[in-house]
Amino acid sequence: AQSVSQHNHHVILSEAASLELGCNYSYGGTVNLFWYVQYPGQHLQLLLKYFSGDPLVKGIKGFEAEFIKSKFSFNLRKPSVQWSDTAEYFCAVNKGAGTALIFGKGTTLSVSS
Amino acid sequence: GAVVSQHPSRVICKSGTSVKIECRSLDFQATTMFWYRQFPKQSLMLMATSNEGSKATYEQGVEKDKFLINHASLTLSTLTVTSAHPEDSSFYICSARDHTDFYNEQFFGPGTRLTVL
Repeated sequence: AQSVSQHNHHVILSEAASLELGCNYSYGGTVNLFWYVQYPGQHLQLLLKYFSGDPLVKGIKGFEAEFIKSKFSFNLRKPSVQWSDTAEYFCAVNKGAGTALIFGKGTTLSVSS
Repeated sequence: GAVVSQHPSRVICKSGTSVKIECRSLDFQATTMFWYRQFPKQSLMLMATSNEGSKATYEQGVEKDKFLINHASLTLSTLTVTSAHPEDSSFYICSARDHTDFYNEQFFGPGTRLTVL
């Protein structure tokens, strides 16, 4: 079955620490990859996306992600987190234009000041 | 930027009643909208894909007679939870795809919190 796995359920960091959240998917063939963030009480916002080209993509708020096709991975990184990054992070994939997103279970990031 | 709205944001209803949730794309046309359900502290689960002018495609395990979806225009899709029961209490989120967007981005609504008493 098609699935998206996020390895970390809850990550707790201090401000200025580096962040890496893991994401693996089980689709074959070409996929589009996304990271979304959901701040407390707010709706989902797109952090970054990968469709093709450079496997290292940069998103908003200093986040980046690297697509490693051989590992079916799309890990999210940020070199120095801030308290305001406290949120739920979701990795998602779809298989092409007009298709639904399949989400991972999400990772809760708590950043202490 | 593209904006998707949902109405209502919160609704409380009695068991056995029906509730309609609206999803609107405010500044773009959406041939395809998606309905998701999110349980507390869990991920979004796709319920159905709604295509303008045609029947929705439901995911396995989602009762189409219970969750009625209508996508009558390029800017509006509705989800009606019929004969709601407490187990239907959840957070319902829609997303819409701008059909002119080559890059396939979907935009999410703010969600509707349904509580069935």
